[in-house]
Amino acid sequence: RKEVEQDPGPFNVPEGATVAFNCTYSNSASQSFFWYRQDCRKEPKLLMSVYSSGNEDGRFTAQLNRASQYISLLIRDSKLSDSATYLCVVSPRGGGNTPLVFGKGTRLSVIA
Amino acid sequence: GAVVSQHPSWVICKSGTSVKIECRSLDFQATTMFWYRQFPKQSLMLMATSNEGSKATYEQGVEKDKFLINHASLTLSTLTVTSAHPEDSSFYICSARPPVGAVYGYTFGSGTRLTVV
Repeated sequence: RKEVEQDPGPFNVPEGATVAFNCTYSNSASQSFFWYRQDCRKEPKLLMSVYSSGNEDGRFTAQLNRASQYISLLIRDSKLSDSATYLCVVSPRGGGNTPLVFGKGTRLSVIA
Repeated sequence: GAVVSQHPSWVICKSGTSVKIECRSLDFQATTMFWYRQFPKQSLMLMATSNEGSKATYEQGVEKDKFLINHASLTLSTLTVTSAHPEDSSFYICSARPPVGAVYGYTFGSGTRLTVV
């Protein structure tokens, strides 16, 4: 089983649509969770951290279910500029010396 | 904010030659940097953890003699791909985490696209 698994995608949605991405992780001791966005041939950029209580940043809502080891990202009112690959990322444990573990990513294409 | 500068952005080299990739933390000290590799349509895979002043820790399956990592200062880590082959063509990217208490979390270099011909 892969450490971080995501929806395979791609997701092709019209502008204004709501789209949800799911992710599961295998290491129950994982402590930190993130969604990153990666544009083609670019480095990943942090979209948002994910907290147990759930958190929202504008059109983006992230949720974490530790019992199910499940993370989600909801994008409302999709924009053309949201087209990118969304990476589910997990940090196995705390501390600055811990590398991030990346999912394979889910590609989103928002169509006019 | 925390910035990691990575150079070069892209490089084309001949088989058998060596390529050095540099990552510098510009406004913070990075005692640890991570080196990842990403093949097309794949996730970022950790290659090694680079620790300032000590030997790097390599992930299983990554040849330490082929991918030489040097972290000689708190702001610079280098990855040298030695005797490059076409199968080494990939997107290499470094990452560092600013010190505890910093506002920003993990930060990435802009990546290096290596093509070996």
